[in-house]
Amino acid sequence: ELKVEQNPLFLSMQEGKNYTIYCNYSTTSDRLYWYRQDPGKSLESLFVLLSNGAVKQEGRLMASLDTKARLSTLHITAAVHDLSATYFCAVDINAGNMLTFGGGTRLMVKP
Amino acid sequence: GAGVSQSPRYKVAKRGQDVALRCDPISGHVSLFWYQQALGQGPEFLTYFQNEAQLDKSGLPSDRFFAERPEGSVSTLKIQRTQQEDSAVYLCASSLRQGWSQPQHFGDGTRLSIL
Repeated sequence: ELKVEQNPLFLSMQEGKNYTIYCNYSTTSDRLYWYRQDPGKSLESLFVLLSNGAVKQEGRLMASLDTKARLSTLHITAAVHDLSATYFCAVDINAGNMLTFGGGTRLMVKP
Repeated sequence: GAGVSQSPRYKVAKRGQDVALRCDPISGHVSLFWYQQALGQGPEFLTYFQNEAQLDKSGLPSDRFFAERPEGSVSTLKIQRTQQEDSAVYLCASSLRQGWSQPQHFGDGTRLSIL
């Protein structure tokens, strides 16, 4: 059974600081997705990582995938308040079928 | 609309009642997914359709849960004889096609509360 674990589960950080969220998964996969969810809202797709060594960047967020280590990271650079949300990683092991999500990382960025 | 649409946004039902939740996927999207999200947790897979065919229903928690997509577009998730543990947000997602590594696009969800 595929398990996806994120850490930390909760992260409170000051504006301007850097931090990394980690996503570990238990079964071989080369498809990993990062989503953002604001309270009471839907999940917004952030990144699609499709191969070992893939790196994607959008604004202050950068995601990477190491399929050999079964690890993805989401790095936050110079955090701003608008990044406050819950971030989920999700793994696809069946080529476009179900996603298995991590438990989420709730990020709070304080002024 | 351009996104996945779900209705109702909120549903309150008494234990034992039947409920039906609707999902309108993005036009042209072949794949449709249902997930259940408990408070403070990540979404959990329930079932998956490709066009009108239900290809995977391994995540449905019991035979009280039933999903259909008869014409390959709109989908309905039905829960019979609701229980308190069914209280959750039910998310629908669609994607262009299986195997294309496209992200799944999620609706805003239906928040179901069972009293």
